[in-house]
Amino acid sequence: EPEVTQTPSHQVTQMGQEVILRCVPISNHLYFYWYRQILGQKVEFLVSFYNNEISEKSEIFDDQFSVERPDGSNFTLKIRSTKLEDSAMYFCASITRLDGYTFGSGTRLTVV
Amino acid sequence: GQQVMQIPQYQHVQEGEDFTTYCNSSTTLSNIQWYKQRPGGHPVFLIQLVKSGEVKKQKRLTFQFGEAKKNSSLHITATQTTDVGTYFCAVLDPGNQFYFGTGTSLTVIP
Repeated sequence: EPEVTQTPSHQVTQMGQEVILRCVPISNHLYFYWYRQILGQKVEFLVSFYNNEISEKSEIFDDQFSVERPDGSNFTLKIRSTKLEDSAMYFCASITRLDGYTFGSGTRLTVV
Repeated sequence: GQQVMQIPQYQHVQEGEDFTTYCNSSTTLSNIQWYKQRPGGHPVFLIQLVKSGEVKKQKRLTFQFGEAKKNSSLHITATQTTDVGTYFCAVLDPGNQFYFGTGTSLTVIP
């Protein structure tokens, strides 16, 4: 079964540092998403990406966040200057059409 | 974003008992999806409901979409310890991405 791959599985960073979370979506999928989940809370939408540009973003996705698809396979989420409240599980998801998302196993980001 | 309420937030059941979680919206939904997240895991897609009054079954799981398309339920018959996890509904925002409900955390006591 095709998988969405995320790296690293766990990232610890100091407050104010930049982090890049990486995702390899399923190869024939067209829509890519980042979600986050603060420990014990619900899954929150951050951003959707289609045709090499952002199609929608939430209020959480402020100027500190950016996404890129630098090549044909990787999909990255960058946080420029991390804050303590950015500590969360970040999930990448991809989809071919309006069907169930396939989520990656996530990156646990800990900001200290 | 779209707002959905899920109840209950937590549910503890004895193994073999039934379990139901409900997802409610104040607006009419185009469709609804259900996901299961095991402790420490990622959300896994279970099903999508589209039609008014739709009922779908997956083994011991029964999913229902309300007639008015404003609510949905997931019912598990005769729970097993493998059913442990958090069950989320997700609804489609006009911007065409899914917003997740608050989830129901299920604990099954052996």
